[in-house]
Amino acid sequence: AQSVTQLDSHVSVSEGTPVLLRCNYSSSYSPSLFWYVQHPNKGLQLLLKYTSAATLVKGINGFEAEFKKSETSFHLTKPSAHMSDAAEYFCVVNSGGYQKVTFGIGTKLQVIP
Amino acid sequence: DAGVIQSPRHEVTEMGQEVTLRCKPISGHDYLFWYRQTMMRGLELLIYFNNNVPIDDSGMPEDRFSAKMPNASFSTLKIQPSEPRDSAVYFCASSLGAWTEAFFGQGTRLTVV
Repeated sequence: AQSVTQLDSHVSVSEGTPVLLRCNYSSSYSPSLFWYVQHPNKGLQLLLKYTSAATLVKGINGFEAEFKKSETSFHLTKPSAHMSDAAEYFCVVNSGGYQKVTFGIGTKLQVIP
Repeated sequence: DAGVIQSPRHEVTEMGQEVTLRCKPISGHDYLFWYRQTMMRGLELLIYFNNNVPIDDSGMPEDRFSAKMPNASFSTLKIQPSEPRDSAVYFCASSLGAWTEAFFGQGTRLTVV
């Protein structure tokens, strides 16, 4: 069995300040982990993915995430928020094979000017 | 490649009518997924195909829902008869491997009145 928990349903930051979106997972296997972003009325776009290579993963638009096996976490960070980062972010876990992929409930990021 | 293409983008229909949603996956992708997104339930996997064969349809809510993939470049999701509680955004996604990373279409916003 696997699960993913996004610890905050809403996060609000000021423009230019750091962003931290938290994600914890559980999996019986070595999972692949992903972060997706969804802007209003748009589809989901892949930000970054971890697939058992480097534990610090860099993605698009300045985002990065660190896989910490001991903490079963895969938090998403960005040093400086832009207004265009306001969106909903989904953490996703996949344990491979034909098991279902599991989405987190999403974190809505608000960026205040 | 133009990405995953879904049509229509918006559909408004009356209760009891048949609704057909369409999806063209990215060429060369062997996996195709249908998701439903609602405020209450978030993202739900309805069904997925591997090489045009349905592998897991356990997420299909009722017999009113059916999905087909007659060839590698086309899939449909049909609801017959439609009900107001089917109102949601339906996403199609495709991937090269078993969810190595999935590419999402823009979604179809379905409203059943």
